[in-house]
Amino acid sequence: DGGITQSPKYLFRKEGQNVTLSCEQNLNHDAMYWYRQDPGQGLRLIYYSQIVNDFQKGDIAEGYSVSREKKESFPLTVTSAQKNPTAFYLCASSFSGTGRYTFGSGTRLTVV
Amino acid sequence: GESVGLHLPTLSVQEGDNSIINCAYSNSASDYFIWYKQESGKGPQFIIDIRSNMDKRQGQRVTVLLNKTVKHLSLQIAATQPGDSAVYFCAETGDDKIIFGKGTRLHILP
Repeated sequence: DGGITQSPKYLFRKEGQNVTLSCEQNLNHDAMYWYRQDPGQGLRLIYYSQIVNDFQKGDIAEGYSVSREKKESFPLTVTSAQKNPTAFYLCASSFSGTGRYTFGSGTRLTVV
Repeated sequence: GESVGLHLPTLSVQEGDNSIINCAYSNSASDYFIWYKQESGKGPQFIIDIRSNMDKRQGQRVTVLLNKTVKHLSLQIAATQPGDSAVYFCAETGDDKIIFGKGTRLHILP
């Protein structure tokens, strides 16, 4: 089955730590995206990538970093510079130029 | 998308009734619109889409209506079931940038 997989489902981070969230897709999609979702809020774009080895900042990129070394993978690192990282993180993918996204099941990150 | 504060608007519907979820989109240049359904603790799932050259599109138990004059999009769910309980997002795109609405929570009354 084709799909998009995020791991882990739950992640706990101590103050000052960097953590990396995994996102893998086998849909042959060109574009991949990271969104942050806070309770009762919509989706806010962190970073996106339309092609391997290239990515762009979204609306709230500060404190986050990404890489796109392979078409299938788009990991997100939440750095210690992100002061309020507790949120639900969603990865999505699509064919470039379409707005029809396939979302992963999300990673819930909590700072302890 | 919908203009809401910290709390999602909620629509409560009796099981078996029809549901209508509304969305006011923001960009006149948007030419493609999508509805997503997000169940608790999961990622959003595609429900139905519509292009700007149409004003209505039907799927299985769902219909999307588009009124470009007033920049309004609606999702109609026929014979609402308990499994329809979720947050519903509209999304608009037209220039490689997709804009998501903040969502409406659909609550099913027994």
